[in-house]
Amino acid sequence: AQSVTQPDIHITVSEGASLELRCNYSYGATPYLFWYVQSPGQGLQLLLKYFSGDTLVQGIKGFEAEFKRSQSSFNLRKPSVHWSDAAEYFCAVGASTNAGKSTFGDGTTLTVKP
Amino acid sequence: EAQVTQNPRYLITVTGKKLTVTCSQNMNHEYMSWYRQDPGLGLRQIYYSMNVEVTDKGDVPEGYKVSRKEKRNFPLILESPSPNQTSLYFCASSSNHPNTEAFFGQGTRLTVV
Repeated sequence: AQSVTQPDIHITVSEGASLELRCNYSYGATPYLFWYVQSPGQGLQLLLKYFSGDTLVQGIKGFEAEFKRSQSSFNLRKPSVHWSDAAEYFCAVGASTNAGKSTFGDGTTLTVKP
Repeated sequence: EAQVTQNPRYLITVTGKKLTVTCSQNMNHEYMSWYRQDPGLGLRQIYYSMNVEVTDKGDVPEGYKVSRKEKRNFPLILESPSPNQTSLYFCASSSNHPNTEAFFGQGTRLTVV
């Protein structure tokens, strides 16, 4: 069975500081990995995804993530956080053998201090 | 505009009164899913559908039904709602390539009293 762990429930950073949100996954085959962002009262929006190729992927809003197979991780990073980045972030894994099946992490809430 | 539309956005109902939450997508996507979001539990998949008349259980299917009679619609049915089904529900759709992202609706906040 596939699973996703986001170890940090809540992270606070100062505006302009760098950010790293952690994501660890468990899946028996090659995973499809996603990061989504959810602003208050909104649905989820895709930030970036990985399915093959370059392990460093670039996304929207200046985010990037690195797939590390040896560590089963797909951490999200941003070099300089803006106040508008305050939101909840979800890591998700899609099954390469069952495209309909998706598993999300519990989410990390990001607070940005002025 | 590509979108996933859920209705209603907000619903308060009483225990045992059957209800349906509708979901429609205009992107001709094969895959559609329903999730519930609860504090501290992230999103949990309820049911998903790979195409018309093809559905399968997600991680938390108990107490829910779905149908996929048309490609664009994927309603979620609660035959006898209970208070533990009070939650925020999201519908999502994606194309039939496993690596493509899901497009999410705006959510339906359901309260069962």
